[in-house]
Amino acid sequence: GESVGLHLPTLSVQEGDNSIINCAYSNSASDYFIWYKQESGKGPQFIIDIRSNMDKRQGQRVTVLLNKTVKHLSLQIAATQPGDSAVYFCAENNAGNNRKLIWGLGTSLAVNP
Amino acid sequence: DAGITQSPRHKVTETGTPVTLRCHQTENHRYMYWYRQDPGHGLRLIHYSYGVKDTDKGEVSDGYSVSRSKTEDFLLTLESATSSQTSVYFCASEPGHKNTEAFFGQGTRLTVV
Repeated sequence: GESVGLHLPTLSVQEGDNSIINCAYSNSASDYFIWYKQESGKGPQFIIDIRSNMDKRQGQRVTVLLNKTVKHLSLQIAATQPGDSAVYFCAENNAGNNRKLIWGLGTSLAVNP
Repeated sequence: DAGITQSPRHKVTETGTPVTLRCHQTENHRYMYWYRQDPGHGLRLIHYSYGVKDTDKGEVSDGYSVSRSKTEDFLLTLESATSSQTSVYFCASEPGHKNTEAFFGQGTRLTVV
């Protein structure tokens, strides 16, 4: 079936290092991908998105890379800070089902001081 | 951030009782969603609405109903609560055009005993 998964359920990094969170998806028809951050006790918060006609998009300290050949999505966080500690979710939007995001299981990022 | 609030934030109820969760948004967003979040499952869509009185099922809609009588309010009802519906419920809203970020509420922790 269609799924969005994660290579690593947990990731621990040192403050100041770069973080890379990976996500695999199986639906080649998906045309929109999005990353959310969820801090403990809060709802998910939008980080960055990318459409399938792009392979890279940059935001403030974050970059999303999309490799459609291998159906892989990654979120890169530069100079990781303690405030980046959270669970990160990727989600995909099937072009034929444009209001039903399919969510990954999440990766927990822990930033060590 | 979009003004989206959920009530109540916490609720304990008994098996077999009806429960209604409320989501209120002040951004005049067209789309609204109800998700549940459980360990090992990520976020799963229960129901969503694409306008007043217009709703559709998500992937885990059994045992739930929704209503949207006003743009700003989206209600989720558990007709007869079961222990399997113990979860954290998140509401989200989104503007009308496709592929835009969703704004999430703070969540409602529901325990069915």
